[in-house]
Amino acid sequence: QVQLQQSGPGLVKPSETLSLTCTVSGDSIRSGTSYWAWIRQPPGQGLEWIGNIYHTGTTYYNQSLNSRVTISVDPSNNQFSLRLRSVTAADTAVYYCARTLDFWTGFSDSWGQGTRVTVSS
Amino acid sequence: DIVMTQSPDSLAVSPGERATINCWSSKSLFYSSNNKNYLAWYQQKPGQPPRLLISWASTRESGVPDRFSGSGSGTDFTLTISSLQAEDVAVYYCQQYFDTPVFGGGTKVEIK
Repeated sequence: QVQLQQSGPGLVKPSETLSLTCTVSGDSIRSGTSYWAWIRQPPGQGLEWIGNIYHTGTTYYNQSLNSRVTISVDPSNNQFSLRLRSVTAADTAVYYCARTLDFWTGFSDSWGQGTRVTVSS
Repeated sequence: DIVMTQSPDSLAVSPGERATINCWSSKSLFYSSNNKNYLAWYQQKPGQPPRLLISWASTRESGVPDRFSGSGSGTDFTLTISSLQAEDVAVYYCQQYFDTPVFGGGTKVEIK
């Protein structure tokens, strides 16, 4: 059974960079059968897809965040990471990592536990 | 981008009664080359990540009770809970994956 374990700080200062890592167990990123996504949920709101990455390093991003987002992958450690630059209060949200099946736009069948990130000085 | 609209925003249903959630897409999610609709449904309980219930508009995930069913095609889709149980209280989201993934705004289901 695949599990995704998230790590990273829950508090980030405005204008700084949000960094989160997702460690996968029960599946191999290197296998190439899935894409690996980041999705966020502002307080009391719905879900927003941020982007995802393939084991080769190919990335797909939400155009609304494209200029500030970098998703990277470390297949040797079965991890992938999110960096969001120049954060503001509007980036306060619960951030989830997830496994996306079959193709980059696909649905996500396994999710991390979520990391609540607050942007505040 | 494709816009996903859900209704109602919330509904309260008596235990054992049917709950129906609607989801509309601004563009057809049906791909004729494989005869599939690129639409998923998720359930999210408070403090938990979303749980995938249904993919391809009507394919139930393993372990999902059969009281959950998905239907529809093209731009109009429905999630039905045939006999609401207390553990079904949650927010339900549709998601299109025909293009850059977009989620609906969510429907909160409560017990009446």
